[in-house]
Amino acid sequence: GQNIDQPTEMTATEGAIVQINCTYQTSGFNGLFWYQQHAGEAPTFLSYNVLDGLEEKGRFSSFLSRSKGYSYLPLKELQMKDSASYLCAVRAPSGGYQKVTFGTGTKLQVIP
Amino acid sequence: DAMVIQNPRYQVTQFGKPVTLSCSQTLNHNVMYWYQQKSSQAPKLLFHYYDKDFNNEADTPDNFQSRRPNTSFCFLDIRSPGLGDAAMYLCATSLRDGDQPQHFGDGTRLSIL
Repeated sequence: GQNIDQPTEMTATEGAIVQINCTYQTSGFNGLFWYQQHAGEAPTFLSYNVLDGLEEKGRFSSFLSRSKGYSYLPLKELQMKDSASYLCAVRAPSGGYQKVTFGTGTKLQVIP
Repeated sequence: DAMVIQNPRYQVTQFGKPVTLSCSQTLNHNVMYWYQQKSSQAPKLLFHYYDKDFNNEADTPDNFQSRRPNTSFCFLDIRSPGLGDAAMYLCATSLRDGDQPQHFGDGTRLSIL
């Protein structure tokens, strides 16, 4: 089975740096996605890792350690519009195809 | 702009009355997915199509069916909606099976009276 864990909620101050963590235990692994989801809206793609290390992509970089089953999303210079849920999703083989399983997300609140 | 479009954004139906949600895409992606998302929960995959090949998740209730008449369109049919089926239904597409990021539509929020 697939188990993906993320902290439920986080609060940070505008302009600060925050790190959103994701740990996973899956049968196989073929990549990890990060999505941002504002309340009542669809998820939007932020970043993807398949190899260890930091994948730099502007404000939304992401880090992966496959040996530790761990990823994080570092958010710098937080803005009020960054208040959203951040979903970690793991791609792994399942029943003959590659299935992407989502975590429940971390709800980030940015305060002035 | 190429996109994934879901209609309607909000759907209200009566308990037990069949309802169909639609999704269209202009991305020409092979794969189309349907997810159910309840408040503060992860999107839950119901099924997906890889081209015309249909893949049903083992725990998707029989009450949920899907059709993909062509590359661009995909439908979610709920044959007899129950109160527990009230949720946001998200359609997504990707270029290949799980290899590429998924592009989501804005979702249809389904309410059951």
